[in-house]
Amino acid sequence: KQEVTQIPAALSVPEGENLVLNCSFTDSAIYNLQWFRQDPGKGLTSLLLIQSSQREQTSGRLNASLDKSSGRSTLYIAASQPGDSATYLCALRDDKIIFGKGTRLHILP
Amino acid sequence: DTAVSQTPKYLVTQMGNDKSIKCEQNLGHDTMYWYKQDSKKFLKIMFSYNNKELIINETVPNRFSPKSPDKAHLNLHINSLELGDSAVYFCASELEGNSPLHFGNGTRLTVT
Repeated sequence: KQEVTQIPAALSVPEGENLVLNCSFTDSAIYNLQWFRQDPGKGLTSLLLIQSSQREQTSGRLNASLDKSSGRSTLYIAASQPGDSATYLCALRDDKIIFGKGTRLHILP
Repeated sequence: DTAVSQTPKYLVTQMGNDKSIKCEQNLGHDTMYWYKQDSKKFLKIMFSYNNKELIINETVPNRFSPKSPDKAHLNLHINSLELGDSAVYFCASELEGNSPLHFGNGTRLTVT
């Protein structure tokens, strides 16, 4: 049974720093992996989608990597800003979409 | 021009009542989902529909009945509401299996 883990559950980082969020999974037979952000009281916004054949995707200050062999994905955020404060969730698709529990990120001004 | 819209945004009701949540997407997507996010913020899939046909039905009490009148709409009807049904319910859609998921803003259901 596929399990998706995100550690740490919460993270506080001073503004301007680069940071890495982690997502691990137990079964490498996935179709894709997606990173989302969720702001309080809001739905999820898709940030990056990595297909199983890809190793990374980039959008602006965000870079997501995928290493299926080790069951890991990372989301790298460069030059963090207070507006990046949110909960970040990873979700992977095998025969259905399974979410991690998220990392609550707080960027300190 | 909201892509995935859910109504209502908030729903407060008493135990034993029956309620419905509506979802509409104007993205032309073929697949729609209902997710439940509990108090610990864990998102769990409930149902998936593709072109009005049920694809995924997770272990959800049969008090929950989804209905898809057309591929742009997926409604969720809940009978005999229980305290444990209190959660945020999210609707989502996608064009195909390898495309990004688009979420609505959620419906916060509180059962008293």
